[in-house]
Amino acid sequence: DVKVTQSSRYLVKRTGEKVFLECVQDMDHENMFWYRQDPGLGLRLIYFSYDVKMKEKGDIPEGYSVSREKKERFSLILESASTNQTSMYLCASSQGRGVYEQYFGPGTRLTVT
Amino acid sequence: GEDVEQSLFLSVREGDSSVINCTYTDSSSTYLYWYKQEPGAGLQLLTYIFSNMDMKQDQRLTVLLNKKDKHLSLRIADTQTGDSAIYFCAESGNTGGFKTIFGAGTRLFVKA
Repeated sequence: DVKVTQSSRYLVKRTGEKVFLECVQDMDHENMFWYRQDPGLGLRLIYFSYDVKMKEKGDIPEGYSVSREKKERFSLILESASTNQTSMYLCASSQGRGVYEQYFGPGTRLTVT
Repeated sequence: GEDVEQSLFLSVREGDSSVINCTYTDSSSTYLYWYKQEPGAGLQLLTYIFSNMDMKQDQRLTVLLNKKDKHLSLRIADTQTGDSAIYFCAESGNTGGFKTIFGAGTRLFVKA
């Protein structure tokens, strides 16, 4: 059974803290994505990566960075967490060709206080 | 830039058909998708359609594509309470490659 796992389901952090969200996929997929999901706004793409050590900005990259040192792992970093980064964060992966079906992890609900 | 729009809520009675609508702007879309998100879970692909198709049927699901109007719909026949979820319309186009644009999601409520 294919799987995308995220390091935490729930996380509470204080303003100004550095936050790491990790995502691991076991499908040998080339592409990996980080989205945030907010009510009424749907999924907004933060960053994506199409290969190891490659990264591209999505639609809302400000305040975030990413790291992809291994093909199966894609990390999202909040350099200095702020309250407006309270959200649900979803990681996904897809093959590099074909239908581009995205496989999603269960999400991390991050609260910044 | 590319955009995908859909209504936020739909309420139906159990056993009725549900129709969720979506419009998109990218005329170069290659694939159009419907994803489902159940409470507390990530999204899961329900079905997809190539842009050169008008219709696709898969058991209780029927997808209709009007490419001229850039309109996509998902019909769920004999809707069950287990169909209650958020349904996301999405598209990926030639210009974006594997990058997928998602709508805001339609929350489907099924009343028993």
